[in-house]
Amino acid sequence: DGGITQSPKYLFRKEGQNVTLSCEQNLNHDAMYWYRQDPGQGLRLIYYSQIVNDFQKGDIAEGYSVSREKKESFPLTVTSAQKNPTAFYLCASSRREGGNQPQHFGDGTRLSIL
Amino acid sequence: RKEVEQDPGPFNVPEGATVAFNCTYSNSASQSFFWYRQDCRKEPKLLMSVYSSGNEDGRFTAQLNRASQYISLLIRDSKLSDSATYLCVVNLNSGYSTLTFGKGTMLLVSP
Repeated sequence: DGGITQSPKYLFRKEGQNVTLSCEQNLNHDAMYWYRQDPGQGLRLIYYSQIVNDFQKGDIAEGYSVSREKKESFPLTVTSAQKNPTAFYLCASSRREGGNQPQHFGDGTRLSIL
Repeated sequence: RKEVEQDPGPFNVPEGATVAFNCTYSNSASQSFFWYRQDCRKEPKLLMSVYSSGNEDGRFTAQLNRASQYISLLIRDSKLSDSATYLCVVNLNSGYSTLTFGKGTMLLVSP
């Protein structure tokens, strides 16, 4: 079955540590996205990528980094510069053409500070 | 003004009831619209796209009113399994990177 796989499901970060969240899709989608969701809040865009080897900052990119070396993979690193990393992180993908394509989500990673 | 606004609820309804949610958006240039459903501690899942002419999928009907800049979702014959948070999502232009999510409306269907 085609889909988006995020791992791990739960992740704990120590002070000063960088952690990397994995996102893999086999939907053959060009575009991929990372969002953060805090309790009672809407999804906020961290980074997005329209094509391999290209990505852009979203609304809250500070303290995060990404790479897009392969079409199917878009890992997110939460760096030590992100002072409030506790949140639900969601990866999504969509077809590239046009703005009327919905995004499809992985099942998320919950990140907490130890 | 917030870009996408929804009543957070919760809407408490009995099984079999009809319930409607509205969502307003601020950018009149918005191009496409969606409703997503999110269960507690799960990822959002696409419920339906919203077309200018309105569209229906089983018990669910979505409407778009561009003049008043709102979209609506009507759920008929509510089931217990409809209990979830419903997210209104707007694409501000034809680019695929500009989805804006509302905070969601919570629906609780009781026996």
